[in-house]
Amino acid sequence: GENVEQHPSTLSVQEGDSAVIKCTYSDSASNYFPWYKQELGKRPQLIIDIRSNVGEKKDQRIAVTLNKTAKHFSLHITETQPEDSAVYFCAASPPVDSSYKLIFGSGTRLLVRP
Amino acid sequence: DTGVSQNPRHKITKRGQNVTFRCDPISEHNRLYWYRQTLGQGPEFLTYFQNEAQLEKSRLLSDRFSAERPKGSFSTLEIQRTEQGDSAMYLCASSLGRGYNEQFFGPGTRLTVL
Repeated sequence: GENVEQHPSTLSVQEGDSAVIKCTYSDSASNYFPWYKQELGKRPQLIIDIRSNVGEKKDQRIAVTLNKTAKHFSLHITETQPEDSAVYFCAASPPVDSSYKLIFGSGTRLLVRP
Repeated sequence: DTGVSQNPRHKITKRGQNVTFRCDPISEHNRLYWYRQTLGQGPEFLTYFQNEAQLEKSRLLSDRFSAERPKGSFSTLEIQRTEQGDSAMYLCASSLGRGYNEQFFGPGTRLTVL
Protein backbone atom coordinates (compact mmCIF):
# COMPACT_ATOMS: atom_id res chain seq x y z
CA GLY A 1 0.00 0.00 0.00
CA GLU A 2 0.86 3.67 -0.09
CA ASN A 3 3.62 4.93 2.21
CA VAL A 4 4.45 8.60 2.77
CA GLU A 5 7.70 9.80 4.26
CA GLN A 6 8.16 13.36 5.49
CA HIS A 7 11.28 15.39 6.31
CA PRO A 8 12.43 17.08 8.41
CA SER A 9 10.66 16.09 11.61
CA THR A 10 11.44 19.48 13.16
CA LEU A 11 12.30 22.79 11.55
CA SER A 12 13.23 26.05 13.23
CA VAL A 13 13.44 29.26 11.19
CA GLN A 14 13.77 32.95 11.90
CA GLU A 15 10.69 35.06 11.30
CA GLY A 16 10.71 36.26 7.72
CA ASP A 17 12.75 33.34 6.41
CA SER A 18 11.39 30.58 4.18
CA ALA A 19 10.55 27.05 5.26
CA VAL A 20 10.52 23.96 3.07
CA ILE A 21 9.05 20.58 4.00
CA LYS A 22 9.50 17.57 1.73
CA CYS A 23 7.51 14.37 1.27
CA THR A 24 7.94 11.26 -0.83
CA TYR A 25 5.30 8.69 -1.64
CA SER A 26 5.46 5.13 -2.92
CA ASP A 27 2.29 4.54 -4.96
CA SER A 28 2.69 6.08 -8.39
CA ALA A 29 -1.09 5.91 -8.87
CA SER A 30 -1.74 8.46 -6.09
CA ASN A 31 -3.39 11.53 -7.56
CA TYR A 32 -4.10 13.94 -4.74
CA PHE A 33 -1.69 15.51 -2.25
CA PRO A 34 -3.04 17.75 0.51
CA TRP A 35 -1.14 19.53 3.26
CA TYR A 36 -2.68 19.97 6.71
CA LYS A 37 -1.68 22.29 9.54
CA GLN A 38 -2.34 21.19 13.09
CA GLU A 39 -1.90 23.62 15.95
CA LEU A 40 -1.44 22.27 19.44
CA GLY A 41 -4.64 20.66 20.71
CA LYS A 42 -6.58 21.49 17.56
CA ARG A 43 -7.91 19.64 14.55
CA PRO A 44 -5.90 19.28 11.31
CA GLN A 45 -6.89 21.95 8.79
CA LEU A 46 -6.21 21.91 5.08
CA ILE A 47 -3.90 24.69 3.95
CA ILE A 48 -3.25 23.73 0.33
CA ASP A 49 -3.61 20.73 -1.96
CA ILE A 50 -2.43 19.71 -5.40
CA ARG A 51 -3.66 17.23 -7.94
CA SER A 52 -1.42 15.12 -10.14
CA ASN A 53 -2.17 17.04 -13.32
CA VAL A 54 -0.56 20.16 -11.84
CA GLY A 55 3.13 20.72 -11.06
CA GLU A 56 2.84 23.72 -8.79
CA LYS A 57 0.18 25.63 -6.90
CA LYS A 58 0.48 28.83 -4.92
CA ASP A 59 -1.75 30.57 -2.39
CA GLN A 60 -0.28 33.79 -1.02
CA ARG A 61 2.76 32.80 1.09
CA ILE A 62 2.24 29.08 0.63
CA ALA A 63 3.16 26.98 -2.41
CA VAL A 64 3.30 23.29 -3.16
CA THR A 65 5.31 21.59 -5.90
CA LEU A 66 4.82 18.08 -7.21
CA ASN A 67 7.25 15.90 -9.13
CA LYS A 68 5.33 12.80 -10.21
CA THR A 69 8.33 11.19 -11.87
CA ALA A 70 10.35 11.32 -8.69
CA LYS A 71 7.26 10.78 -6.50
CA HIS A 72 7.89 13.70 -4.23
CA PHE A 73 6.14 16.91 -3.30
CA SER A 74 7.12 19.86 -1.17
CA LEU A 75 5.53 22.66 0.85
CA HIS A 76 7.11 26.09 0.70
CA ILE A 77 6.22 28.83 3.16
CA THR A 78 7.72 32.24 2.47
CA GLU A 79 8.01 35.22 4.84
CA THR A 80 7.28 33.02 7.83
CA GLN A 81 5.41 34.48 10.79
CA PRO A 82 5.16 33.25 14.40
CA GLU A 83 1.58 32.14 13.75
CA ASP A 84 2.93 29.68 11.18
CA SER A 85 4.34 27.67 14.10
CA ALA A 86 2.49 24.33 14.11
CA VAL A 87 2.82 20.73 12.97
CA TYR A 88 2.43 20.25 9.22
CA PHE A 89 1.35 16.96 7.67
CA CYS A 90 1.59 15.94 4.05
CA ALA A 91 -0.68 13.23 2.69
CA ALA A 92 -1.29 11.21 -0.44
CA SER A 93 -4.52 9.65 -1.63
CA PRO A 94 -4.17 6.35 -3.48
CA PRO A 95 -7.06 5.52 -5.83
CA VAL A 96 -7.86 2.17 -4.21
CA ASP A 97 -11.52 1.21 -3.93
CA SER A 98 -12.47 4.85 -4.53
CA SER A 99 -12.37 5.66 -0.83
CA TYR A 100 -10.09 8.69 -1.34
CA LYS A 101 -8.59 7.95 2.06
CA LEU A 102 -5.52 9.90 3.06
CA ILE A 103 -2.16 8.37 3.95
CA PHE A 104 -0.29 10.86 6.10
CA GLY A 105 3.37 11.52 6.69
CA SER A 106 4.69 11.64 10.23
CA GLY A 107 4.61 15.42 10.47
CA THR A 108 7.02 18.36 10.67
CA ARG A 109 7.03 20.57 13.72
CA LEU A 110 7.74 24.10 12.49
CA LEU A 111 8.92 26.74 14.94
CA VAL A 112 9.15 30.32 13.74
CA ARG A 113 11.37 32.36 16.07
CA PRO A 114 10.36 36.03 16.44
CA ASP B 1 -21.07 25.63 14.30
CA THR B 2 -21.50 23.85 10.98
CA GLY B 3 -18.22 21.95 11.12
CA VAL B 4 -17.58 18.32 12.03
CA SER B 5 -18.30 17.62 15.69
CA GLN B 6 -17.25 14.74 17.89
CA ASN B 7 -18.34 13.58 21.33
CA PRO B 8 -17.05 13.09 23.87
CA ARG B 9 -13.90 15.19 23.55
CA HIS B 10 -12.13 13.16 26.21
CA LYS B 11 -12.69 9.66 27.52
CA ILE B 12 -10.81 7.92 30.30
CA THR B 13 -11.57 4.26 30.78
CA LYS B 14 -10.15 1.20 32.43
CA ARG B 15 -8.64 -1.61 30.45
CA GLY B 16 -11.28 -4.11 29.39
CA GLN B 17 -14.15 -1.64 29.26
CA ASN B 18 -16.10 -0.78 26.10
CA VAL B 19 -16.23 2.76 24.76
CA THR B 20 -18.26 4.44 22.02
CA PHE B 21 -17.52 7.68 20.22
CA ARG B 22 -19.82 9.73 18.04
CA CYS B 23 -19.11 11.84 14.97
CA ASP B 24 -21.50 14.30 13.35
CA PRO B 25 -20.21 15.23 9.88
CA ILE B 26 -21.00 18.34 7.88
CA SER B 27 -24.62 17.83 6.86
CA GLU B 28 -24.27 17.55 3.09
CA HIS B 29 -21.15 15.35 3.19
CA ASN B 30 -21.78 11.77 2.16
CA ARG B 31 -18.24 10.52 2.87
CA LEU B 32 -17.10 9.90 6.43
CA TYR B 33 -13.72 8.71 7.65
CA TRP B 34 -12.28 7.62 10.98
CA TYR B 35 -8.57 8.09 11.68
CA ARG B 36 -6.43 7.44 14.73
CA GLN B 37 -3.58 9.71 15.75
CA THR B 38 -0.96 8.92 18.35
CA LEU B 39 1.45 11.45 19.83
CA GLY B 40 3.98 12.70 17.31
CA GLN B 41 2.46 10.84 14.39
CA GLY B 42 0.18 11.65 11.49
CA PRO B 43 -3.40 10.40 11.43
CA GLU B 44 -3.78 6.74 10.41
CA PHE B 45 -6.79 5.68 8.34
CA LEU B 46 -9.18 3.30 10.10
CA THR B 47 -12.39 3.10 8.08
CA TYR B 48 -14.54 4.81 5.44
CA PHE B 49 -18.26 5.21 4.87
CA GLN B 50 -20.06 6.38 1.79
CA ASN B 51 -23.52 7.24 3.01
CA GLU B 52 -24.47 4.33 5.29
CA ALA B 53 -22.20 1.76 3.62
CA GLN B 54 -18.86 0.92 5.22
CA LEU B 55 -16.71 0.43 2.13
CA GLU B 56 -13.21 0.09 3.50
CA LYS B 57 -11.55 -0.96 6.74
CA SER B 58 -7.86 -0.77 7.50
CA ARG B 59 -5.96 -3.86 8.61
CA LEU B 60 -5.21 -1.76 11.71
CA LEU B 61 -8.84 -2.17 12.71
CA SER B 62 -8.97 -5.27 14.87
CA ASP B 63 -12.21 -7.13 15.46
CA ARG B 64 -12.57 -5.24 18.75
CA PHE B 65 -13.37 -2.14 16.70
CA SER B 66 -16.70 -1.61 15.00
CA ALA B 67 -18.13 1.42 13.26
CA GLU B 68 -21.58 2.27 12.03
CA ARG B 69 -23.31 5.03 10.14
CA PRO B 70 -26.90 3.88 10.35
CA LYS B 71 -28.73 6.56 8.41
CA GLY B 72 -25.86 7.99 6.47
CA SER B 73 -25.59 10.92 8.85
CA PHE B 74 -23.76 10.55 12.19
CA SER B 75 -21.34 7.71 12.83
CA THR B 76 -20.26 5.78 15.92
CA LEU B 77 -16.98 4.01 16.60
CA GLU B 78 -17.03 1.38 19.33
CA ILE B 79 -14.00 -0.24 20.90
CA GLN B 80 -14.65 -3.37 22.91
CA ARG B 81 -12.36 -4.70 25.65
CA THR B 82 -10.10 -1.67 25.47
CA GLU B 83 -6.34 -2.11 25.77
CA GLN B 84 -3.70 0.42 26.78
CA GLY B 85 -2.49 0.45 23.19
CA ASP B 86 -5.85 1.89 22.13
CA SER B 87 -4.97 5.18 23.84
CA ALA B 88 -4.93 7.78 21.07
CA MET B 89 -6.82 10.66 19.50
CA TYR B 90 -9.67 9.38 17.33
CA LEU B 91 -10.43 11.79 14.52
CA CYS B 92 -13.44 11.87 12.26
CA ALA B 93 -13.45 13.60 8.89
CA SER B 94 -16.07 14.16 6.24
CA SER B 95 -16.09 15.26 2.62
CA LEU B 96 -18.33 15.67 -0.36
CA GLY B 97 -18.60 12.76 -2.79
CA ARG B 98 -17.29 12.83 -6.33
CA GLY B 99 -13.55 12.76 -6.77
CA TYR B 100 -10.90 14.27 -4.56
CA ASN B 101 -12.33 16.77 -2.14
CA GLU B 102 -11.11 18.37 1.05
CA GLN B 103 -11.58 16.26 4.13
CA PHE B 104 -12.79 18.36 7.05
CA PHE B 105 -11.68 17.05 10.41
CA GLY B 106 -13.48 17.11 13.72
CA PRO B 107 -11.77 18.08 16.99
CA GLY B 108 -11.22 14.44 17.92
CA THR B 109 -11.93 12.27 20.93
CA ARG B 110 -8.91 11.68 23.13
CA LEU B 111 -9.05 8.18 24.63
CA THR B 112 -6.95 7.23 27.63
CA VAL B 113 -7.02 3.60 28.71
CA LEU B 114 -5.70 3.05 32.23
